[in-house]
Amino acid sequence: AQSVTQPDIHITVSEGASLELRCNYSYGATPYLFWYVQSPGQGLQLLLKYFSGDTLVQGIKGFEAEFKRSQSSFNLRKPSVHWSDAAEYFCAVGTFYTGNQFYFGTGTSLTVIP
Amino acid sequence: DADVTQTPRNRITKTGKRIMLECSQTKGHDRMYWYRQDPGLGLQLIYYSFDVKDINKGEISDGYSVSRQAQAKFSLSLESAIPNQTALYFCATSERGGDTQYFGPGTRLTVL
Repeated sequence: AQSVTQPDIHITVSEGASLELRCNYSYGATPYLFWYVQSPGQGLQLLLKYFSGDTLVQGIKGFEAEFKRSQSSFNLRKPSVHWSDAAEYFCAVGTFYTGNQFYFGTGTSLTVIP
Repeated sequence: DADVTQTPRNRITKTGKRIMLECSQTKGHDRMYWYRQDPGLGLQLIYYSFDVKDINKGEISDGYSVSRQAQAKFSLSLESAIPNQTALYFCATSERGGDTQYFGPGTRLTVL
């Protein structure tokens, strides 16, 4: 069965510091992988996605993620965090072979301190 | 204007009441989805629809029903609301064969 694990429930970083949010997935075929961000009181906004090709993908707001098949991981990174990055981050797997379904992780809440 | 809209944005109701949450989209997408979000559980799929005549149950469909009135409209109903249905509900859309879901702003439902 497909599943997504985000092992960190909550992370606190200082503004200007680097960030890495972890995501591990379980899926029998080549996955479609996504990172979404949810700001307080808002819906989910797509940050970036991976389908194939270059395993390092660039997204909006200065985020990037790297697909590592050997580790079943798709970690999100940002070299320098801004206070406005404080939000909830969700990793998701898309399973188009089973009907365009998406499976979400439980989310990582990011706090940015001055 | 937002591409995916949800009404109402907030709703407080009592146990046993019937509630309908509505979702409309102007993206022209065939596929629409309803999720609920609970703290610490992420998003769970309730129902999804690939077109007006194709509706499917998701992971947690018990206690919910849906109606796809048109390509652009997908409603979620709670026939008899119960307190553990208190949650944040999201509607999403995607293109046929598309690779990305687009989310509405969410509806916060409280069942007392």
